[in-house]
Amino acid sequence: SQTIHQWPATLVQPVGSPLSLECTVEGTSNPNLYWYRQAAGRGLQLLFYSVGIGQISSEVPQNLSASRPQDRQFILSSKKLLLSDSGFYLCAWRARGDTQYFGPGTRLTVL
Amino acid sequence: DAKTTQPPSMDCAEGRAANLPCNHSTISGNEYVYWYRQIHSQGPQYIIHGLKNNETNEMASLIITEDRKSSTLILPHATLRDTAVYYCIVMPGNTGKLIFGQGTTLQVKP
Repeated sequence: SQTIHQWPATLVQPVGSPLSLECTVEGTSNPNLYWYRQAAGRGLQLLFYSVGIGQISSEVPQNLSASRPQDRQFILSSKKLLLSDSGFYLCAWRARGDTQYFGPGTRLTVL
Repeated sequence: DAKTTQPPSMDCAEGRAANLPCNHSTISGNEYVYWYRQIHSQGPQYIIHGLKNNETNEMASLIITEDRKSSTLILPHATLRDTAVYYCIVMPGNTGKLIFGQGTTLQVKP
């Protein structure tokens, strides 16, 4: 069966520090991969999606970037974190034409 | 922007059916209706989806009106663990891009 992993589960970072969040999927090949963010008290917002290695589409302008170095690995990064980057970051995967499934999320607090 | 409208909150007694409505009056012919729920501090959980016909699985039933402008998610026997935010989402068949609205906060009470 398919499994999606995210780490770390929680993270506290100072303003201006770099960020790297990792997401990996097991049990499937060539999935679509997605990064969402949920700010405190707000709904989920799609940040990036990828249909293949090295292929990244950005949905909103922001301080973050995404990369897909391997088929089942999706990384969310920032060179310098802002206070507004705080939130709950969720990775999701989807097989072609199928339902989208979410990981457990990473809760990021920028101080 | 989300293409759906849901009531912000609902209550349901434990053991009773929970009926969560969703309006999607601008839905297109190739757009599916998806339902997810999010329990506090967890990732969204897929519940069910449909295009035209009513659907049922082990978690819930989805009733879509004939004109497809609205739908209802039915949890047949709500338990306390069903307390969550429920999201109704319309999505074109192959994009996978879920646009979440504010959802309905369902509170199941004993």
